[in-house]
Amino acid sequence: GDSVTQMEGPVTLSEEAFLTINCTYTATGYPSLFWYVQYPGEGLQLLLKATKADDKGSNKGFEATYRKETTSFHLEKGSVQVSDSAVYFCALSGLPGSNYQLIWGAGTKLIIKP
Amino acid sequence: DTEVTQTPKHLVMGMTNKKSLKCEQHMGHRAMYWYKQKAKKPPELMFVYSYEKLSINESVPSRFSPECPNSSLLNLHLHALQPEDSALYLCASSQGDSLSSGNTIYFGEGSWLTVV
Repeated sequence: GDSVTQMEGPVTLSEEAFLTINCTYTATGYPSLFWYVQYPGEGLQLLLKATKADDKGSNKGFEATYRKETTSFHLEKGSVQVSDSAVYFCALSGLPGSNYQLIWGAGTKLIIKP
Repeated sequence: DTEVTQTPKHLVMGMTNKKSLKCEQHMGHRAMYWYKQKAKKPPELMFVYSYEKLSINESVPSRFSPECPNSSLLNLHLHALQPEDSALYLCASSQGDSLSSGNTIYFGEGSWLTVV
């Protein structure tokens, strides 16, 4: 069935380190792909999205490229800050017969140490 | 402006109480959602309203009762809840009548519910 797989956390990095959080998916059709971020004690915020193959989403220094050939949407940031500490969720939508469904990854907790 | 507003932010209720969660959006979105999120887990879809009609009910117990008074408002009425219903309840909205064309779901800050 359709699914999203994220790397397990927590991921712990030092400030200014390079970040990669892996996300791969299994889906029929041509889904749209999303990264959402959840800061401690808050709701979910859209971080970035891509709606077709080779699209690159970017926001707040984060980037992810929709790779159809590897069914991946890895999240990257060149230099992380303590304020990036949060849980990151990869998700997909637009599956046939699922008008309102988002398929979620399990989430990856990111901890940035000063 | 991508704002979905939820009230209250925190709610503590007894198992015999009746309370409501409220959600409002002014983005002109025609689909509105209720999700439930337990700690460290992705959100679980509960209900979807499309053009003010209930479109999806994910087999949610009847102690949760959604209501969509108009295109901007969404309520979740709570009655006779159990302690295991304690969670973060997220409201969300999206344009159009499906997510098939890359429409994005925008979430509120959530209502933290504790059932005692």
